[in-house]
Amino acid sequence: QLQLQESGPGLVQPSETLSLTCTVSGGSISSRSYYWGWIRQPPGKGLEWIGSIYYSGSTYYNPSLKSRVTVSVDTSKNQFSLKLSSVTAADTAVYYCASMCGSGSYGDYWGQGTLVTVSS
Amino acid sequence: DIQMTQSPSTLSASVGDRVSVTCRASQGISSWLAWYQQKPGKAPKLLIYKASSLESGVPSRFSGSGSGTEFTLTISSLQPDDFATYYCQQYNSFSWTFGQGTKVEIK
Repeated sequence: QLQLQESGPGLVQPSETLSLTCTVSGGSISSRSYYWGWIRQPPGKGLEWIGSIYYSGSTYYNPSLKSRVTVSVDTSKNQFSLKLSSVTAADTAVYYCASMCGSGSYGDYWGQGTLVTVSS
Repeated sequence: DIQMTQSPSTLSASVGDRVSVTCRASQGISSWLAWYQQKPGKAPKLLIYKASSLESGVPSRFSGSGSGTEFTLTISSLQPDDFATYYCQQYNSFSWTFGQGTKVEIK
């Protein structure tokens, strides 16, 4: 059974870059069965898909965030990462990483989530 | 972009009730729809994938139906553990969109 764990700073300054890493255990990030994704949830609000990556490095981004998002994978460390640039208070959210099964169509395993607050 | 409209936003029900949540897509998505349950402070939990396939370990009182643009999540007999928020999620061309969520409350 896969386990995913997000890590990174809980506080980011406005206009800076948010950086998070998701460590995968219980399976290989190079598995052809999975895509890997980032989803966020502002406090008290709904879920928003940020972007996804395949082990080969192919990436897919939410059009509304595409200009600010980079998702990358490190197969040697069994990790994938998120960078979100030029953050504002509107980027304050719980950030989740997830494994995406069924040709990337749904998230079967999720990390516990990490709250990132954008504030000076 | 494909938009997902979920209804109702809040649903008040009693233990034992049969409840349904609807999700409508702004364009056809075949059966590329998933349903999740989320409890406060927790990550979403997958219930249904490909519109009607029950995820392993999920109780059989949960079921999903629909295709194209209209989808339904049904809980046949609401249990105390089912009071939570439910989200639909569509998949199209390597892109996801979630519905706004439906909070199932105790009546």
